[in-house]
Amino acid sequence: QTVVTQEPSVSVSPGGTVTLTCGLSSGSVSTSSHPSWYQQTPGQAPRTLIYNINTRSSGVPDRFSGSIVGNKAALTITGAQADDESDYYCVLYIDSGIWMFGGGTKLTVL
Amino acid sequence: EVQLVESGGVLVHPGGSLTLSCVASGFTLTTYWMTWVRQAPGKGLEWVANIKQDGSSRYYLDSVKGRFTISRDNAENSLYLQMNSLRAEDSAVYYCARWTLYSGYYHIDQWGQGTLVTVSS
Repeated sequence: QTVVTQEPSVSVSPGGTVTLTCGLSSGSVSTSSHPSWYQQTPGQAPRTLIYNINTRSSGVPDRFSGSIVGNKAALTITGAQADDESDYYCVLYIDSGIWMFGGGTKLTVL
Repeated sequence: EVQLVESGGVLVHPGGSLTLSCVASGFTLTTYWMTWVRQAPGKGLEWVANIKQDGSSRYYLDSVKGRFTISRDNAENSLYLQMNSLRAEDSAVYYCARWTLYSGYYHIDQWGQGTLVTVSS
């Protein structure tokens, strides 16, 4: 059973740079995985951040960027701000019409 | 303005049934794959099911296969999730969402606000 892996929690200092990753328990993430990233704050619906590997959704600040690094998708925040403190999820296409979200990364800015 | 509005979430007993609805506005439903994503209390997002534009293809999370049915009525701009044989672990906020194809790759670009389903005796 394939699992999408994310760091459970990560912390960053205000103004710092942090990279969150999204991998597969078996295999590598590639463009055919259609990776995309979503931000969610408590009590709110998710917000689309990054798609098509590195395209920012409308209104997303340019401090957010996406990439594929090695065998994982990555979300980088450059110059983190306090209001970036959120949960971040990736979703990947697995196979045969099946998609899977990662377990999410709780980002703390302190 | 593009909007997805879910309804139908309630408290239901284990083994019971429920149908969630999602009304789309501001865009033509027929153009898009649609999906249900759920989030159990304090847990992460979980993809549940997808349905193709014309309803001809449907895909499900293994744990709901045979119990849940995703459907759509494009004329009514509506998406549905019929849930049978409900279990406590199906308790979650259920989000209706839209898949968009951009440069050959899919992503979710619109989310509803969610509707809460609680399965408990």
